[in-house]
Amino acid sequence: KQEVTQIPAALSVPEGENLVLNCSFTDSAIYNLQWFRQDPGKGLTSLLLIQSSQREQTSGRLNASLDKSSGRSTLYIAASQPGDSATYLCAVGPGGYNKLIFGAGTRLAVHP
Amino acid sequence: DTGVSQNPRHKITKRGQNVTFRCDPISEHNRLYWYRQTLGQGPEFLTYFQNEAQLEKSRLLSDRFSAERPKGSFSTLEIQRTEQGDSAMYLCASSDTRREVLETQYFGPGTRLLVL
Repeated sequence: KQEVTQIPAALSVPEGENLVLNCSFTDSAIYNLQWFRQDPGKGLTSLLLIQSSQREQTSGRLNASLDKSSGRSTLYIAASQPGDSATYLCAVGPGGYNKLIFGAGTRLAVHP
Repeated sequence: DTGVSQNPRHKITKRGQNVTFRCDPISEHNRLYWYRQTLGQGPEFLTYFQNEAQLEKSRLLSDRFSAERPKGSFSTLEIQRTEQGDSAMYLCASSDTRREVLETQYFGPGTRLLVL
């Protein structure tokens, strides 16, 4: 059974720091991996999607890497801003019709 | 695209009552997913539709839960005889497998259910 773990569970940093959020999964047979952002009480916004054959994806200040063989992904946030404060969720798509299996998230607070 | 919409956004009900939620996916998206999210946890898959066909249901979806997607457009999720353990955020997502090589799921804002 696929399990997704995110570390740390919570993170509080001053503005301007570069951050690394970690995601690990137990079964390397995945179709893709997605990183989402969730603001309190809101739905999910897709940030980056990495296909299983890819190693990384970049969007603005965000960079996500994928190492399928070791079952790990990292989300790198450069020059963090208070507006980055949210919960970041990692989800793996096990293939086929691609239902997503989520981690519990990392709650990020960036203070001025 | 106007995005995925869900109604109502909030629902408070008493234990034992029935509730129904609606999801309107992005126009012409052929897949529609329902997830449930409890406080401090990531969303958990409940069920999904390919057009109007419901192709999988999670074991989380007890007999009190039923979902439909008539005509392959909007979907409804009904919970009968609600229990306090049903309190959660119910999220809907849609995707288009015909036009996108990588299937990105687009999520709605969710319906937050509180069962008293």
